Amino acid sequence: GAGVSQSPSNKVTEKGKDVELRCDPISGHTALYWYRQRLGQGLEFLIYFQGNSAPDKSGLPSDRFSAERTGESVSTLTIQRTQQEDSAVYLCASSLAGQGAFGYTFGSGTRLTVV
Amino acid sequence: DAKTTQPNSMESNEEEPVHLPCNHSTISGTDYIHWYRQLPSQGPEYVIHGLTSNVNNRMASLAIAEDRKSSTLILHRATLRDAAVYYCILRDAGTASKLTFGTGTRLQVTL
Repeated sequence: GAGVSQSPSNKVTEKGKDVELRCDPISGHTALYWYRQRLGQGLEFLIYFQGNSAPDKSGLPSDRFSAERTGESVSTLTIQRTQQEDSAVYLCASSLAGQGAFGYTFGSGTRLTVV
Repeated sequence: DAKTTQPNSMESNEEEPVHLPCNHSTISGTDYIHWYRQLPSQGPEYVIHGLTSNVNNRMASLAIAEDRKSSTLILHRATLRDAAVYYCILRDAGTASKLTFGTGTRLQVTL
């Protein structure tokens, strides 16, 4: 597609439920990133996929968070047993590659509210 | 990624040029200088990036100091729509890694 697509755009879930967030990167982009942004806060790195390399999971806050990517296409971020502190906007970005010569395109995000 | 330093906030009048500074005194020879912005209630948006030479695109210009230890993002005519948080980020040319955002500069544009 023309841009990075994220779905759903909004998600309200009850505490303790599992949620799955989806990201469709720009076709041909080998690098894909997930970030979290709590209300009024900065962007917090979660996980990074680069081609067939092992993902950089160093930003995942707990074992309740996991992410997968199918080849160089769609990625899903799963949060198990959601907590109220998980409420945030989850942003996905993609790039032709992860090196510095390439710019990044962000999606519009998924706003997650845990009640 | 090497560290960057930006002012917390800046103000500009509409229709006037804006110069947003960024210091990166520990930049390495292979670091690209990237600028992104985040408008209210939106995801970050790519603005411009460069390595050594000044760069221009439809959104802005990037002026890079000769020693590369600082750079300036130039918005030629600020509009209300340019009010956003602007992030200056260094990215290594050879190493694939995550993009790390600092606190950026909050630009306010007034009539």
